[in-house]
Amino acid sequence: DVKVTQSSRYLVKRTGEKVFLECVQDMDHENMFWYRQDPGLGLRLIYFSYDVKMKEKGDIPEGYSVSREKKERFSLILESASTNQTSMYLCASALSWTGPKNIQYFGAGTRLSVL
Amino acid sequence: AQSVSQHNHHVILSEAASLELGCNYSYGGTVNLFWYVQYPGQHLQLLLKYFSGDPLVKGIKGFEAEFIKSKFSFNLRKPSVQWSDTAEYFCAVSGNTGKLIFGQGTTLQVKP
Repeated sequence: DVKVTQSSRYLVKRTGEKVFLECVQDMDHENMFWYRQDPGLGLRLIYFSYDVKMKEKGDIPEGYSVSREKKERFSLILESASTNQTSMYLCASALSWTGPKNIQYFGAGTRLSVL
Repeated sequence: AQSVSQHNHHVILSEAASLELGCNYSYGGTVNLFWYVQYPGQHLQLLLKYFSGDPLVKGIKGFEAEFIKSKFSFNLRKPSVQWSDTAEYFCAVSGNTGKLIFGQGTTLQVKP
């Protein structure tokens, strides 16, 4: 089974702090994704990466950055956390960008509270 | 721009009732369609998918979905729900960009 591991289930941070969310996948997938999940809004794509050191903005990249130094690890960075970034953050990985292998596997999520 | 709309935000059913969750999408090209499920306290997992071929697809736990191209719909069905089906269900679409666009989600509560 594909395993996508997010380093923290719950985080509480203060406004203005720099926050790192870590994600590791064990299936040698090329593609990795960061979403935020909010009630009534579903999942919204923040950033994705289709290769090491490559990144693309998703639909809501403002206030976030990412890092992918190794194939298995994809980090989401909140440069200066704000209260409107309180949310559930989900990481996902997929073998392929298109076609039948474009199935995304998700981690358990990190619930971030910014006070 | 691609978009996905799930008609029902909160559904309450009794055990053994039939389920149909609506999903409509907006996209002009070839699409791949998915239903994901998130059980309480668990990670999001794939319920079923459609890429091509038979528009009626079967997934895990007795769920199925039908792709109706003319209606831009991919509704999820189950003939008889169980209490363990209580979860949040997400419809998602991807086109040639590979990006998944999710609907708002539907919370299903099944009463024993």
